[in-house]
Amino acid sequence: DVKVTQSSRYLVKRTGEKVFLECVQDMDHENMFWYRQDPGLGLRLIYFSYDVKMKEKGDIPEGYSVSREKKERFSLILESASTNQTSMYLCASSPGGPGEQYFGPGTRLTVT
Amino acid sequence: AQSVTQPDIHITVSEGASLELRCNYSYGATPYLFWYVQSPGQGLQLLLKYFSGDTLVQGIKGFEAEFKRSQSSFNLRKPSVHWSDAAEYFCAVGAYDDYKLSFGAGTTVTVRA
Repeated sequence: DVKVTQSSRYLVKRTGEKVFLECVQDMDHENMFWYRQDPGLGLRLIYFSYDVKMKEKGDIPEGYSVSREKKERFSLILESASTNQTSMYLCASSPGGPGEQYFGPGTRLTVT
Repeated sequence: AQSVTQPDIHITVSEGASLELRCNYSYGATPYLFWYVQSPGQGLQLLLKYFSGDTLVQGIKGFEAEFKRSQSSFNLRKPSVHWSDAAEYFCAVGAYDDYKLSFGAGTTVTVRA
């Protein structure tokens, strides 16, 4: 079974803090993705990576950055957290090429 | 770029009744289509997918979906729902030349006893 794990299920941070969300997959997948999920908006892609050290912006990259130093790990960074970044964050991975994505359990981030 | 519309935000269905969730996509070529389910507090789980071939696709948990190119639709169905089917359902579309998927806004299903 493909397993995608995320470092925290729940996280509470203060405005202005630097926040790291970690994602690890164990299936040697080429592609990894970060989404945020908000009610009524579905999943919106923040960033994705199709190889180590490679990244591309998704639909809503502002206020976020990412890092992929190893194939299995993809980190989402909020340089200076703001209250409008309170959301559910979902990580996913997929094998090379188009196809289904495998999701982690999500991190519910609250910024106060 | 591809996009997805799920016209129904919320559906309530009685246990044992049938369920149909609508999904319309926009894409010029043959799409890759997916249905995912998200139980409360969980990540997304793939129910079924369509890449090519038979337009009626069987998935897990007794779900099926039918691809209708003429209507740009990929509706999800289940003949008899169980209380455990209460969840949020997402339709997604991808393309043969793209790693990314575009997701709909989701449909929340409530099952009443």
